Amino acid sequence: SQELEQSPQSLIVQEGKNLTINCTSSKTLYGLYWYKQKYGEGLIFLMMLQKGGEEKSHEKITAKLDEKKQQSSLHITASQPSHAGIYLCGADSSGGSNYKLTFGKGTLLTVNP
Amino acid sequence: EAGVTQFPSHSVIEKGQTVTLRCDPISGHDNLYWYRRVMGKEIKFLLHFVKESKQDESGMPNNRFLAERTGGTYSTLKVQPAELEDSGVYFCASSQDWGRVDTEAFFGQGTRLTVV
Repeated sequence: SQELEQSPQSLIVQEGKNLTINCTSSKTLYGLYWYKQKYGEGLIFLMMLQKGGEEKSHEKITAKLDEKKQQSSLHITASQPSHAGIYLCGADSSGGSNYKLTFGKGTLLTVNP
Repeated sequence: EAGVTQFPSHSVIEKGQTVTLRCDPISGHDNLYWYRRVMGKEIKFLLHFVKESKQDESGMPNNRFLAERTGGTYSTLKVQPAELEDSGVYFCASSQDWGRVDTEAFFGQGTRLTVV
């Protein structure tokens, strides 16, 4: 079965600093999803990557998928307290035929003002 | 547009009791999914409905769990009888067309179940 390894497990940064979260898959990724979760809330969809070398950005968050489609990174520029939360990567573990996601354990991000 | 809503947000029950969780997907979404996260572990897939049919229930832990989706609208997940290891956060998600990997799933806020 597919496994996703996220690093780091937790991260504390000062407001304004840049940071990167990584997600590594044991198998080729058909689709890689990034979600954010705040305590007591649901998962908020951030971005989805499908093609090798693909890169997407939304506001100050950029996600990349490597050419081999086994590793993704999430980069936050000039972090703000509002970026704090748990970041989860998820992979389509069904080869694209449905929406069965395998998730990493998450990265807990704290942004100190 | 209303998102995916789950009821209740929290539930505390005693071991051996029955609990029913409810999920209302986004209107028009044929696909509905249940996931759960137990303490310290990753979120895991439980099952997938396409309309009222169970497409994939490979993640259901055992026969104490029963999921239904009446008329292809809302879904319920019943745990009977509940055990301590069932404690965790149960998430529901929905997405539009089946087989469209380029559509994202929208998650509800989750139901935090505590079995004591």
